[in-house]
Amino acid sequence: GAVVSQHPSWVICKSGTSVKIECRSLDFQATTMFWYRQFPKQSLMLMATSNEGSKATYEQGVEKDKFLINHASLTLSTLTVTSAHPEDSSFYICSARRLGGNEQFFGPGTRLTVL
Amino acid sequence: DAKTTQPTSMDCAEGRAANLPCNHSTISGNEYVYWYRQIHSQGPQYIIHGLKNNETNEMASLIITEDRKSSTLILPHATLRDTAVYYCIVRVGEAAGNKLTFGGGTRVLVKP
Repeated sequence: GAVVSQHPSWVICKSGTSVKIECRSLDFQATTMFWYRQFPKQSLMLMATSNEGSKATYEQGVEKDKFLINHASLTLSTLTVTSAHPEDSSFYICSARRLGGNEQFFGPGTRLTVL
Repeated sequence: DAKTTQPTSMDCAEGRAANLPCNHSTISGNEYVYWYRQIHSQGPQYIIHGLKNNETNEMASLIITEDRKSSTLILPHATLRDTAVYYCIVRVGEAAGNKLTFGGGTRVLVKP
């Protein structure tokens, strides 16, 4: 149990386009989901925390208008990178907290490459 | 959350125990020690966590010093599949609604 999936697993897009990444909790309900970004050879950096049905809380330095987060249901959160640029190329990882649980379960990540 | 200090990298032999140290000298009384690992190009995987007492599960053992200023993650019989970056994180409370702050971690290479 406690499986988190992400789709797509990788995506290549042109500069200026928008990309949507989905994060799903497959076998549990997740009240809280987290979005991280990881550049090559670096650690994970938390971007934002989203609670189902409410606005996401963004970390300092993360542009909320560029990284749109929607957590419309207890099993799905989406991250949309708007007007993507090459510097947005990164590994994006989500995690989810089970309803009533303690641990965060991580998705497999989505590798975004912006040309 | 308290900061942690880990060695940048370490090698260990397949089949032997791997002991991964972590310093968290500024840890507060209500902060837990968590360990995650990240295999290349995958999401992090939870390993174990503890507050004061030593903990053991099917993956590893966690030894926390009496003053709680450091801990050691022990992989009892390392396999090649244990090659990964291991992150030691301290976090207030056990509620996962609290954020996880990842440091640099230790890059562990298990060699045949």
